[in-house]
Amino acid sequence: GQQLNQSPQSMFIQEGEDVSMNCTSSSIFNTWLWYKQEPGEGPVLLIALYKAGELTSNGRLTAQFGITRKDSFLNISASIPSDVGIYFCAGQIAAGNNRKLIWGLGTSLAVNP
Amino acid sequence: NAGVTQTPKFQVLKTGQSMTLQCAQDMNHEYMSWYRQDPGMGLRLIHYSVGAGITDQGEVPNGYNVSRSTTEDFPLRLLSAAPSQTSVYFCASSSRNIQYFGAGTRLSVL
Repeated sequence: GQQLNQSPQSMFIQEGEDVSMNCTSSSIFNTWLWYKQEPGEGPVLLIALYKAGELTSNGRLTAQFGITRKDSFLNISASIPSDVGIYFCAGQIAAGNNRKLIWGLGTSLAVNP
Repeated sequence: NAGVTQTPKFQVLKTGQSMTLQCAQDMNHEYMSWYRQDPGMGLRLIHYSVGAGITDQGEVPNGYNVSRSTTEDFPLRLLSAAPSQTSVYFCASSSRNIQYFGAGTRLSVL
């Protein structure tokens, strides 16, 4: 099935470093979502983006909806050990009743204290 | 503050057995969906429902059945389990475009 290209696949960083990950697609999306999944849990929404060019922050997290509507990035500033997990991007093509999301394969983040 | 509740959390089946994975949400969301998550494959959509009485197939529907008799519940049925169905299963319900996930059911088929 259709998937987003999410990179990097994994990251191993030192506590305090900044992190950047991104997703690209050949399709135009009208919504971009970023989720975090911790071990043994379901994905939890971090940031939702609804407009091209939109830049939204949630604490140390910042995400942007690319102006071409085909990409999005997520930045984490000053990483801490509890940032460990898998980060997923997801995009939606159509609105209304069709709420199917297209998912990236995830970026696995490890933080060394 | 329940959100999306999935039961059971863990299950081991023998090949050929049947079972139902339960999913309930208390947010009055119309849209619900089932995903499976496998290493390196991300989240793949199995079935979804846009409201009570309406279901449709996702990306990987074979071997799974669903029904939606109420807004709250969206069970996933495995009629004859196969080892290829060993996976982690997530149920989600949606408000606007945002999907809220349950904690998952970890299923092993031997």
